[in-house]
Amino acid sequence: QKEVEQNSGPLSVPEGAIASLNCTYSDRGSQSFFWYRQYSGKSPELIMFIYSNGDKEDGRFTAQLNKASQYVSLLIRDSQPSDSATYLCAVYTGFQKLVFGTGTRLLVSP
Amino acid sequence: DVKVTQSSRYLVKRTGEKVFLECVQDMDHENMFWYRQDPGLGLRLIYFSYDVKMKEKGDIPEGYSVSREKKERFSLILESASTNQTSMYLCASSPTGGTGELFFGEGSRLTVL
Repeated sequence: QKEVEQNSGPLSVPEGAIASLNCTYSDRGSQSFFWYRQYSGKSPELIMFIYSNGDKEDGRFTAQLNKASQYVSLLIRDSQPSDSATYLCAVYTGFQKLVFGTGTRLLVSP
Repeated sequence: DVKVTQSSRYLVKRTGEKVFLECVQDMDHENMFWYRQDPGLGLRLIYFSYDVKMKEKGDIPEGYSVSREKKERFSLILESASTNQTSMYLCASSPTGGTGELFFGEGSRLTVL
């Protein structure tokens, strides 16, 4: 079983819709969770992190964490074509190490 | 603005050549990392370093070595490049005691012929 799992997609949504990206992780002791966005040909950039169960909102982005279900998600409201990218879920496993999922490709059509 | 700089964006090497990939960060971060990224496999950790002259193996260290002689510089070395090392290589850094956020360089795309 992979440590961090994501659906590879692509996830296609129309402009203005809500995009929902999901991630599950295997290490029940994980404490910190991150969402990175990676445009084609570019390096990953951090867009959200979450430590506590529940929701964390930042502009159009909401991260949701459910530690009991070992599940973290990213919601993007009012999706824009510029949101089209690959979204990487990452889990902090301790000792300064992040483990990444393989990413979900999001396509937002005008 | 924080900056992680990788020395080469694109390299083409021949099988058996020795390859050096260099990474420099200007944020005084203690931790530095080398990942490779391949389609369908995601980001995989090769090596990381939490201090000068210290190194730890990641998930896929075979065929690679690293050097960290100065805090700001972390080098990845392919002693004898092979075609299965064709990949995108990403360097990253982070501060100890931080949130766990990694700051990435722009990547080095290596092709081994």
